[in-house]
Amino acid sequence: DTGVSQNPRHKITKRGQNVTFRCDPISEHNRLYWYRQTLGQGPEFLTYFQNEAQLEKSRLLSDRFSAERPKGSFSTLEIQRTEQGDSAMYLCASTPLGLSSYNEQFFGPGTRLTVL
Amino acid sequence: AQKITQTQPGMFVQEKEAVTLDCTYDTSDQSYGLFWYKQPSSGEMIFLIYQGSYDEQNATEGRYSLNFQKARKSANLVISASQLGDSAMYFCAMREGDSGGGADGLTFGKGTHLIIQP
Repeated sequence: DTGVSQNPRHKITKRGQNVTFRCDPISEHNRLYWYRQTLGQGPEFLTYFQNEAQLEKSRLLSDRFSAERPKGSFSTLEIQRTEQGDSAMYLCASTPLGLSSYNEQFFGPGTRLTVL
Repeated sequence: AQKITQTQPGMFVQEKEAVTLDCTYDTSDQSYGLFWYKQPSSGEMIFLIYQGSYDEQNATEGRYSLNFQKARKSANLVISASQLGDSAMYFCAMREGDSGGGADGLTFGKGTHLIIQP
């Protein structure tokens, strides 16, 4: 299967700990997005990469959050000093760089974070 | 103000009936794109259908169609002949400034929980 994959699928951590999530996009998809989805809400955009360059960051992405995509393939999202409010599903999506007017975003299964 | 408004938190529909899920949006951009995604209980977001702001015809994809009323800023999803497997959360989303290439992040509504009853 060549869809978007995310690891781990679930993460339970204690408040104050650091966590890191990984996203592997569909092969040759240049653009990669991170979203956060809390219970009962739609996903909220966090940041996006084109190849290895981080081109946009939402104001939701506080200083405790950092995302990287060092070789333009997989991406990591790190949360430092986790807080209970960080508990959410973290979704990754990818899309190819193309001439299509819309470029559907393909989503991964998400990483569910629980901060105790 | 909410950029995407979905006014139906939940809906119950009989199997085989058609269902309309409401979505209104707010943007000052002339160029934008509207999406519908389905999220089953497994959590993965599944793309259903897309409508560009300059598309003159309503988009259709199999049993899904998008009723696009630009002047009213509405983009309702219509599912014909609903099936039990259609039970899921449905999200309307928008990308503003859709100048081609689709770079920007999507703004999602809060979703509608659709339950299809046998």
